[in-house]
Amino acid sequence: KAGVTQTPRYLIKTRGQQVTLSCSPISGHRSVSWYQQTPGQGLQFLFEYFSETQRNKGNFPGRFSGRQFSNSRSEMNVSTLELGDSALYLCASSFGSGGGETDTQYFGPGTRLTVL
Amino acid sequence: SQQGEEDPQALSIQEGENATMNCSYKTSINNLQWYRQNSGRGLVHLILIRSNEREKHSGRLRVTLDTSKKSSSLLITASRAADTASYFCATDIRGSQGNLIFGKGTKLSVKP
Repeated sequence: KAGVTQTPRYLIKTRGQQVTLSCSPISGHRSVSWYQQTPGQGLQFLFEYFSETQRNKGNFPGRFSGRQFSNSRSEMNVSTLELGDSALYLCASSFGSGGGETDTQYFGPGTRLTVL
Repeated sequence: SQQGEEDPQALSIQEGENATMNCSYKTSINNLQWYRQNSGRGLVHLILIRSNEREKHSGRLRVTLDTSKKSSSLLITASRAADTASYFCATDIRGSQGNLIFGKGTKLSVKP
C-alpha cells in the first residue's frame, strides 16, 4: 500500500506570495490532518478534514486554509506569506471514523517551505 | 501551552543501553500516541495506548500510561544506533477528534 505523499517536497517563496501544498492520503483513509512544524513552536495542528468537511481547526490565522476533495486528497493554502510561515508542513491521514477518537496517524514526508 | 511535555529534552546513551522518555499532559485524553521522527522527515507511528490501558508492548518498545498522574513513558530496550531520532508523545484530547497535541519531543542519540 502506498504511503502518504506530499507535493512539492521543497518550496521557496517570497513574502506576500501565496502557496498551495498538496497531500494524497493512503488509499481508504478519509481523514487528512495538517500540521506545521517549526523549531520554536514544535508541531502545531492546523486543521483536519473528513469526507470533504473541515471537522477541526487549530489556532492559526485565516491566511491558512484548506480543502479536501471527493477522493480524499487535500490541499492547504497559505496566502500573503510571512517570514514566520517558514516551516515543515506535514499532512497525516487516517481512517478517521473512530467514534470521536483520533486513530493512528500516517504522516507524509512533509513540504519544507522557506519564505524569503 | 503544550498539552504534552516530554522529559528529558535530550538523551545520549550507548548502544545496548535502555532509553526511557517521559511525557506529561494536562487534560483528559482518549488515547496517547508515540511517534518517531528522523531528522526533518515525516513522523512514524510507534504505539497508541488508550486511556483504559496501562501498558503496551511492541517489539523493543514498552509504553506505560498513568491517567491518575497524567503521564506516560516510552522505554526502548537494547537500543541501536538506528534508534537515533526525536520521539514525540501526542495526546488525543476528548472532544477534539483528528487533532493530536504534540509535545516538543525528546532527542535521542544512540552512540555505537
